[in-house]
Amino acid sequence: QVQLQESGPGLVKPSETLSLTCTVSGYSISSGYYWGWIRQPPGKGLEWIGSIYHSGSTYYNPSLKSRVTISVDTSKNQFSLKLSSVTAADTAVYYCARLRGAKNWFDPWGQGTLVTVSS
Amino acid sequence: AIRMTQSPSSFSASTGDRVTITCRASQGISSYLAWYQQKPGKAPKLLIYAASTLQSGVPSRFSGSGSGTDFTLTISCLQSEDFATYYCQQYYSYPITFGQGTRLEIK
Repeated sequence: QVQLQESGPGLVKPSETLSLTCTVSGYSISSGYYWGWIRQPPGKGLEWIGSIYHSGSTYYNPSLKSRVTISVDTSKNQFSLKLSSVTAADTAVYYCARLRGAKNWFDPWGQGTLVTVSS
Repeated sequence: AIRMTQSPSSFSASTGDRVTITCRASQGISSYLAWYQQKPGKAPKLLIYAASTLQSGVPSRFSGSGSGTDFTLTISCLQSEDFATYYCQQYYSYPITFGQGTRLEIK
């Protein structure tokens, strides 16, 4: 079955760029579907960051759009998130997930990775 | 952005109880609504999509209903493994948004 796994640094300094990768197994990204990033600050709710299609078409949350870039590498069956100019408010568990369509529900999800922004 | 408001934010119940969680959208979203269950330290798990369609493998004690702006998630007979936080999510329009969550605790 499809599995997703997030990877990347667990600690990022303020003003720097957060970079995460989601590796997909059990399904080829090139075959279709959309792929997305969601985050959850400690003890808080879920926030959609953005989504990407295998062709590279992207959709971003307007609240983060100026700082977010999502890209896809079909040769590695991965997609990535970059969030620039981070502050402590960007400290969160970051999840990657699959969507059935451009606007859709998320399933399955990766296990999540905690990224802390601190000097 | 469409605002999703869940009620209650938290409550206590006992195993065997029938419980209902409500999610209200700030504007009509047809049936473009999903429900998730999240346990501490784990990723959310999809329970229901299209407001009332049960995801494969999810127990039938879970059900969803509603359309437009008002939706409900019902658990017909609470089991110990159901104590968790539940989120609704709309996918009618961008940005995709979630409710603030409902924490279900053991009484």
